[in-house]
Amino acid sequence: QKEVEQNSGPLSVPEGAIASLNCTYSDRGSQSFFWYRQYSGKSPELIMSIYSNGDKEDGRFTAQLNKASQYVSLLIRDSQPSDSATYLCAVTRNNQGGKLIFGQGTELSVKP
Amino acid sequence: GAGVSQSPRYKVAKRGQDVALRCDPISGHVSLFWYQQALGQGPEFLTYFQNEAQLDKSGLPSDRFFAERPEGSVSTLKIQRTQQEDSAVYLCASSSDRHGAFFGQGTRLTVV
Repeated sequence: QKEVEQNSGPLSVPEGAIASLNCTYSDRGSQSFFWYRQYSGKSPELIMSIYSNGDKEDGRFTAQLNKASQYVSLLIRDSQPSDSATYLCAVTRNNQGGKLIFGQGTELSVKP
Repeated sequence: GAGVSQSPRYKVAKRGQDVALRCDPISGHVSLFWYQQALGQGPEFLTYFQNEAQLDKSGLPSDRFFAERPEGSVSTLKIQRTQQEDSAVYLCASSSDRHGAFFGQGTRLTVV
């Protein structure tokens, strides 16, 4: 079992819909949680971080964390074709200096 | 510069050749990370520096891989006697705290 698991997709949603991306992690010592967006042929770009249980909203993006269930999600409201990319979930553990452990990524396709 | 800079962007090496990949982090960022990303996969951790100290090299796949950051700024990842399985994108990231890391454009290494 990988430490950070994501459904590889592709996840296809129509333009204007809500895209829901999910991630589970196995280490209860995980401390911080991040979502990165990666366009094809480009490097990962940090879009959201979350550290405590609950929801965190930033524009059209909402990150949700449930430490009891070891589950992180990213919601994208009013999805746009420009949101089409691979979304990478990453976690850090205590005492590892910010070392990011990534899932394999979920490919999102937003259809006009 | 404003972001993490990596060079070269592309490198083609003959099998058995040594290569050196350079990373220039964001100015003032204490932490520097190297990742390897295969096609369709999330980035895999290779090694981590805090200033000039290499604190974690658990992800280096073999003793052919070596990284250094002698003055706590620019880092070099060296791969000796390259093999075909070394073909991947090598990503460098830097961070000033535990609130996520910022990636360079990556170096795409192809071993022929």
